[in-house]
Amino acid sequence: RKEVEQDPGPFNVPEGATVAFNCTYSNSASQSFFWYRQDCRKEPKLLMSVYSSGNEDGRFTAQLNRASQYISLLIRDSKLSDSATYLCAVNGPPNSGGYQKVTFGTGTKLQVIP
Amino acid sequence: GAGVSQTPSNKVTEKGKYVELRCDPISGHTALYWYRQSLGQGPEFLIYFQGTGAADDSGLPNDRFFAVRPEGSVSTLKIQRTERGDSAVYLCASSLYGGDSSGANVLTFGAGSRLTVL
Repeated sequence: RKEVEQDPGPFNVPEGATVAFNCTYSNSASQSFFWYRQDCRKEPKLLMSVYSSGNEDGRFTAQLNRASQYISLLIRDSKLSDSATYLCAVNGPPNSGGYQKVTFGTGTKLQVIP
Repeated sequence: GAGVSQTPSNKVTEKGKYVELRCDPISGHTALYWYRQSLGQGPEFLIYFQGTGAADDSGLPNDRFFAVRPEGSVSTLKIQRTERGDSAVYLCASSLYGGDSSGANVLTFGAGSRLTVL
């Protein structure tokens, strides 16, 4: 089983739609979670961190479900400019030296259609 | 510098050759990561430095791959006897706090080095 799994999509949605992505992680000891956005042929950029209580940033809402070991990203009122690949990232658990690497999923491609 | 800088941006080489890719992280960032990304895939973890030492090198695919960060700032990823399967975008990222248990590990990426092995 992969450490971090995402549905690669693509998700094709009309402008104004609400779309949600999930990401599952295999190690229950993982400690922190993030969503990154990657535009075509560009580097990933942090979209938002994911907190246990859930967090919202404008049209974007991130949730963490530790019991079921998944994180989610909800995008409301989709814009054409939201078209990108959304990568989930999981930090940890610590290795024997106490260090935590960041592992990425394969990404979910979103295409917002006019 | 203001961001993470990677050189070269593009590298074309022949099978069997040696390649070095350089990463200059954000000043003051203690943690530095190398990832490899193939088309349609997410970033694949290679190695992570905390300061000068490799905190986790479990992602290096084989002994042809090696990375150093001698002064705790600039890092070089070295690939010996390149193979066509090594073709990918090599991404470097740095983080202020690193991956210890006390800090969130938010990564800032460079633009990547696109390696093509003919």
